[in-house]
Amino acid sequence: EPEVTQTPSHQVTQMGQEVILRCVPISNHLYFYWYRQILGQKVEFLVSFYNNEISEKSEIFDDQFSVERPDGSNFTLKIRSTKLEDSAMYFCAVSGYLHNEQFFGPGTRLTVL
Amino acid sequence: ILNVEQSPQSLHVQEGDSTNFTCSFPSSNFYALHWYRWETAKSPEALFVMTLNGDEKKKGRISATLNTKEGYSYLYIKGSQPEDSATYLCAFISYNTDKLIFGTGTRLQVFP
Repeated sequence: EPEVTQTPSHQVTQMGQEVILRCVPISNHLYFYWYRQILGQKVEFLVSFYNNEISEKSEIFDDQFSVERPDGSNFTLKIRSTKLEDSAMYFCAVSGYLHNEQFFGPGTRLTVL
Repeated sequence: ILNVEQSPQSLHVQEGDSTNFTCSFPSSNFYALHWYRWETAKSPEALFVMTLNGDEKKKGRISATLNTKEGYSYLYIKGSQPEDSATYLCAFISYNTDKLIFGTGTRLQVFP
């Protein structure tokens, strides 16, 4: 059974619309991450989340992005006003300890038109 | 800017061949190196987490070595099988940070 599931698997949206990507870890994990991969490029770190707050974020993670764990299980990534360049595969990952192996979800493919 | 490089970008081998690929990373401020195996349409799956210089880890036919002083790690696959076909990613973590910095990956294709 996978450690992490993500919904939706594919989201198509219009530029300027808000999207929420969801991640559901199966077991108890302490650390949560979002990464993305733009087609043909490296997997890039977006944000890490620990103890209900952002632990670290990259330069990509600007004011248009936010994360939360509203109910203590789902971990969400919100993009407030999507741009064409936000089109990418978004991966959620979790780990039990800092710097330990991370368990990745299957990803959400976001297409912004 | 911290950069992680992997070579080769892609590799095609026959079933039964042994193969290896390289991950280069910054040698300063090193904390850990991760290797992940990523099959098409699946989640990246952790293979190894390596922290000590000289570390050597093994999982079945796959093994990895680590040289933190010169900033490289090798991944070896002995007797490649078609099910080994995947992209192999390495990722570097430095001290005082949470983030994995990924290489571009090596795409391995094993032909029967």
